[in-house]
Order: sequence, then C-alpha cells, then structure tokens
Amino acid sequence: AQKITQTQPGMFVQEKEAVTLDCTYDTSDQSYGLFWYKQPSSGEMIFLIYQGSYDEQNATEGRYSLNFQKARKSANLVISASQLGDSAMYFCAIPGKGGYQKVTFGTGTKLQVIP
Amino acid sequence: DAGITQSPRHKVTETGTPVTLRCHQTENHRYMYWYRQDPGHGLRLIHYSYGVKDTDKGEVSDGYSVSRSKTEDFLLTLESATSSQTSVYFCAIRRGTDTEAFFGQGTRLTVV
Repeated sequence: AQKITQTQPGMFVQEKEAVTLDCTYDTSDQSYGLFWYKQPSSGEMIFLIYQGSYDEQNATEGRYSLNFQKARKSANLVISASQLGDSAMYFCAIPGKGGYQKVTFGTGTKLQVIP
Repeated sequence: DAGITQSPRHKVTETGTPVTLRCHQTENHRYMYWYRQDPGHGLRLIHYSYGVKDTDKGEVSDGYSVSRSKTEDFLLTLESATSSQTSVYFCAIRRGTDTEAFFGQGTRLTVV
C-alpha cells in the first residue's frame, strides 16, 4: 500500500522568495508517479504538477518544479518567486498500481505568503 | 474545465437518515473517486471505482457504500448518517494511469 507524508502543517514565505514544500512517500511499486495539488481558500482542488518515477528530469510547470529524489523517497514541490496568490493548502498524492489506481493524498501543508 | 459535477453542493441532514451524493462526469473517464476532507486529515479516500460496477474500499469506507452502474455516475451513500460524517466530500475522475485527477467542486454535508 502507498503512504504519503507531509511533515509541514504550515509554512510562511516572503513574497518573491522561493519555498520548498516537503513530501515523502512509501511504495513497493517499481513504477509510480507523484502529483501535487493546490487548494485555495475558495476550496477547489487545482492540479499543479506530475512526475513519473521513470522520468529522468525533474518536472517543471511555470514557477512550480518537482524535486524528485527516489533514493530518499521524496518529491518536494518548489515554488519560485512566491506570490500572494500562492497562499493555499498544498497536497501531494500518489496513485496505486496497475488497473486499480487508488490515489492516496497527504495531509497537506498550509502556505502563507507574506507581503 | 473538466466535466464533473457534484450534487447537492450543500446538505444538512439528521442523524440516522440515509443520504446519497452524486458525482456525474461527461468525460468518459475510467476512474472515479470519493474523498472526504476534514481539518488536519487532508483528503481521505472513501471508495473508488476502476470501471462500471468495479469498486473498492479506501481507507475510511466504514458507514459508506457506493455504486457505479454507468460510466458517468458514481453515487456515494451514507446508509444512516452520523455526526462524524459531517465533512466536505470531493469526487474526482481520472482518464487513466499517469494522468491527473480532476475534482468536483465539493459537497458540504452537515449531520445534525
């Protein structure tokens, strides 16, 4: 079974600075992927970025990048040049294997960007 | 926007009554999920479906049942609602492996 851990319940970052949100996982699958989602105070879940374990290069989507370290089983989200609109909850998630594809989420990190 | 709709969006119900939440998709995606979100717990998987009539339990399935009789609809039923089931419920869909999940807007359920 997959397990996801987000150890930072809350974080602060100064506007325009970079911030790293931690995510560690545990899986027995040889091939897997990792998602990150953003949930602003309005409540909707917004997909940010995905990377498969077989991808050689870390994924990047605009100001978001995924720092995937398979040996450490970590897949941290890096947000560069933080903006006030980045204040939100952030969740990482890992899908299960094969045809079942059960998706397990972490408990989330609340990021607050300070002007 | 992904074609996924949850209904109702808000509901207040009494303890002991049955409640059914509906998730409807127009994307013909294979996988559908029901999560509940509570402070401090993130999103916890209740049940999921990997095809029509193919469902399985998640980590918090006690007190919930699901049905998927056609691709587009995934129903979550609370057979006898309890106050501990007061939560925000999210439905999600995925096309296949290595694809992201798209979420509905959520249903806020209050059991009094």
